[in-house]
Amino acid sequence: NAGVMQNPRHLVRRRGQEARLRCSPMKGHSHVYWYRQLPEEGLKFMVYLQKENIIDESGMPKERFSAEFPKEGPSILRIQQVVRGDSAAYFCASSPSGRVEQYFGPGTRLTVT
Amino acid sequence: QQQVKQSPQSLIVQKGGISIINCAYENTAFDYFPWYQQFPGKGPALLIAIRPDVSEKKEGRFTISFNKSAKQFSLHIMDSQPGDSATYFCAAVFGAQKLVFGQGTRLTINP
Repeated sequence: NAGVMQNPRHLVRRRGQEARLRCSPMKGHSHVYWYRQLPEEGLKFMVYLQKENIIDESGMPKERFSAEFPKEGPSILRIQQVVRGDSAAYFCASSPSGRVEQYFGPGTRLTVT
Repeated sequence: QQQVKQSPQSLIVQKGGISIINCAYENTAFDYFPWYQQFPGKGPALLIAIRPDVSEKKEGRFTISFNKSAKQFSLHIMDSQPGDSATYFCAAVFGAQKLVFGQGTRLTINP
């Protein structure tokens, strides 16, 4: 049973480019969460999605960031016009419907040069 | 009210000793308290979790102690081993919602 999958594992972007991070939840999981971890810091919630719905985006910056979880395919976290401060590890977690346990993927490490 | 405070920031324990990490919260609506273990370059792995109607939960060498009245909970690692060296995060959640994480504790077990 494969765990949460994220790709790419490492992503380098120049300032002003777009970054697309993908997350495939565990089989049977319909809830997806995105978290950001800055160097030497804890994880901060960004957004909570279910299939085709954004449930809670209270942790998302108002500009440049968006997320989706389509009916088919992985969840996508999109960062437009990246800046150096966006450099961080981005983790996706998933959980099955009706359960609270969240299982994390290996993360995507974004570096903005 | 959404904060979870974790201490210490770093901890060094001798092999075979007991590692203790503490967390405190304010929001009494939290109803699930997991601990995650993270190795460098990896994602957090769910280690053990507890609900507030239980005062203690033990899984192998790992024990969570929960004090509802004090709004505190702690992780105890018995017979600590070098392989336990990692960063540990406590967290809290209300329902199937976002996890609120503590700041993390970097644990080093000296052989």
